[in-house]
Amino acid sequence: SQQGEEDPQALSIQEGENATMNCSYKTSINNLQWYRQNSGRGLVHLILIRSNEREKHSGRLRVTLDTSKKSSSLLITASRAADTASYFCATDNYGQNFVFGPGTRLSVLP
Amino acid sequence: DTAVSQTPKYLVTQMGNDKSIKCEQNLGHDTMYWYKQDSKKFLKIMFSYNNKELIINETVPNRFSPKSPDKAHLNLHINSLELGDSAVYFCASSLGQGAQGGELFFGEGSRLTVL
Repeated sequence: SQQGEEDPQALSIQEGENATMNCSYKTSINNLQWYRQNSGRGLVHLILIRSNEREKHSGRLRVTLDTSKKSSSLLITASRAADTASYFCATDNYGQNFVFGPGTRLSVLP
Repeated sequence: DTAVSQTPKYLVTQMGNDKSIKCEQNLGHDTMYWYKQDSKKFLKIMFSYNNKELIINETVPNRFSPKSPDKAHLNLHINSLELGDSAVYFCASSLGQGAQGGELFFGEGSRLTVL
């Protein structure tokens, strides 16, 4: 089964609103990554958070990690239509290959 | 310059045929991967190579044979194509293996349709 599971599966918001996506995983990890995939394109790395970090920021992105709950969240503030994409979390599988969740499809309406 | 490039972008073929997808990275990375993304967007690792050596083979049918002539190239050959092979195949690379390898850089994908 998938290591990471994003929630919700789909999210639709108005431009300017904040979008929050969650990721839960099952095993111990070394780090967790978030990726974005625009329709018909490859995945693009957004941010990496290590297991000893609790929060990380990059521009309008804020990622939190709670290893006790085995969960992470990705917050996109002041969303734009260009943020419309699928967002995936990826966790290392016992330090081996990265395992991706099924993704959250975000639609930002103008 | 494209970091990870894969060709072709689209393949449409009949069941039973053989097809290949090529991937090249110019990032100087040691590790390369093939991922399969199905129609529901699930992304599953198929193979991982580190410096031309096979590291991960995730119970992929023998009809799939990766080949890494050098650490900058990882090709995927598929024999006797089946309907269920229809998917988007992504090549990716990273500095090193596993959790210490850092972020993955993905190609744009090769959409395979088997009729």
